[in-house]
Amino acid sequence: NAGVTQTPKFRILKIGQSMTLQCAQDMNHNYMYWYRQDPGMGLKLIYYSVGAGITDKGEVPNGYNVSRSTTEDFPLRLELAAPSQTSVYFCASSPLSTARAGEQYFGPGTRLTVT
Amino acid sequence: AQSVTQLDSHVSVSEGTPVLLRCNYSSSYSPSLFWYVQHPNKGLQLLLKYTSAATLVKGINGFEAEFKKSETSFHLTKPSAHMSDAAEYFCVVSALSGSARQLTFGSGTQLTVLP
Repeated sequence: NAGVTQTPKFRILKIGQSMTLQCAQDMNHNYMYWYRQDPGMGLKLIYYSVGAGITDKGEVPNGYNVSRSTTEDFPLRLELAAPSQTSVYFCASSPLSTARAGEQYFGPGTRLTVT
Repeated sequence: AQSVTQLDSHVSVSEGTPVLLRCNYSSSYSPSLFWYVQHPNKGLQLLLKYTSAATLVKGINGFEAEFKKSETSFHLTKPSAHMSDAAEYFCVVSALSGSARQLTFGSGTQLTVLP
């Protein structure tokens, strides 16, 4: 299994540009998550999904959109990039089992700079 | 509401000496608690988890943590540090919010291991 994969690894955007961060998992996990990590901080949840067609906002959703058309993929869309969105973005997934609730598998991250 | 406080932003130890990374939590309910590790330029990896079974939890790579309800603490320890332990460590509390179990991250402790 590849686990959770993210593309691209790095990206520089100009203010006002748009882009999509890709995330895919091959573990058949129901739950998927997007986080951002700012320097010296823990991760903050942007959006999450409990299954195909179902998404919900996390702690910091403003400026982002998501969709979940398949179990495997969970792309994150930035419509009008702003310098405040400079961050490292992590995608994660977890299985449905309540016994493993909270146990998440993380991708390697996308480092985004907006200038 | 839930929160996590990691009491040290940086910890430095010599190779072969004990490691102690401190974490206090606040949760309205019986919490699930986790320690995740992040090596440079990598995604997060689960070290260990507490989910209301044994209060002393053993994880990977010789790490363990003890859940102390009276002190609302979940400190991470290792008897003997190895150079490969140098990384950032996150204490995490989990609670059911909406339709998924969401994680709240501490701000992280950077562990340096000196030769």
